[in-house]
Amino acid sequence: EVQLVESGGGLVQPGGSLRLSCAASGFTFSSYWMSWVRQAPGKGLEWVANIKQDGSEKYYVDSVKGRFTISRDNAKNSLYLQMNSLRAEDTAVYYCARAITMVRGAWFDYWGQGTLVTVSS
Amino acid sequence: VIWMTQSPSLLSASTGDRVTISCRMSQGISSYLAWYQQKPGKAPELLIYAASTLQSGVPSRFSGSGSGTDFTLTISCLQSEDFATYYCQQYYSFPWTFGQGTKVEIK
Repeated sequence: EVQLVESGGGLVQPGGSLRLSCAASGFTFSSYWMSWVRQAPGKGLEWVANIKQDGSEKYYVDSVKGRFTISRDNAKNSLYLQMNSLRAEDTAVYYCARAITMVRGAWFDYWGQGTLVTVSS
Repeated sequence: VIWMTQSPSLLSASTGDRVTISCRMSQGISSYLAWYQQKPGKAPELLIYAASTLQSGVPSRFSGSGSGTDFTLTISCLQSEDFATYYCQQYYSFPWTFGQGTKVEIK
């Protein structure tokens, strides 16, 4: 059974940092692109970042470029999101998601339960 | 950036109804579109990818159609467990974007 379990969320002050983790199990982690998708309270979904199987390619939404870094450790079946210079507008539930790629782009077939990040003083 | 217009934002329906949700793109995306269902407090679940391919395990009452700029999600016979919020997602170009969501509520 595919499982994705996020951790690391919490309350942080504006300008602060946080590192999210996602532990994957039930599939060959190193064979899949992985992504982070977030959802602000009461709002819709926003793709944040994704990373190739070997970590050689990474893509970000413009609003987090230069502040967030996605990474992975295939030996530990883990995905990470390092978030620096956090802003109030980064407040959201952050989901780890497995991305299925085909000719172009990717959709998300499995999602974690999410971890809440709150940026507030 | 590809802009997406999902409509309606709120849909009131009864069990047994046929419902349709629309997703319109600001530019053509061929069939690079997925649909998700999200229930309160839960993660989204994939329903359809490649505009019309049903994800394994998803009931056949769900169907997707369209290509280019106009897409539709149809629920042929609404069940009680289908009351939720639905999102479309384009993966034709970065940044991958989601529609604003359609909440299907009990009439």
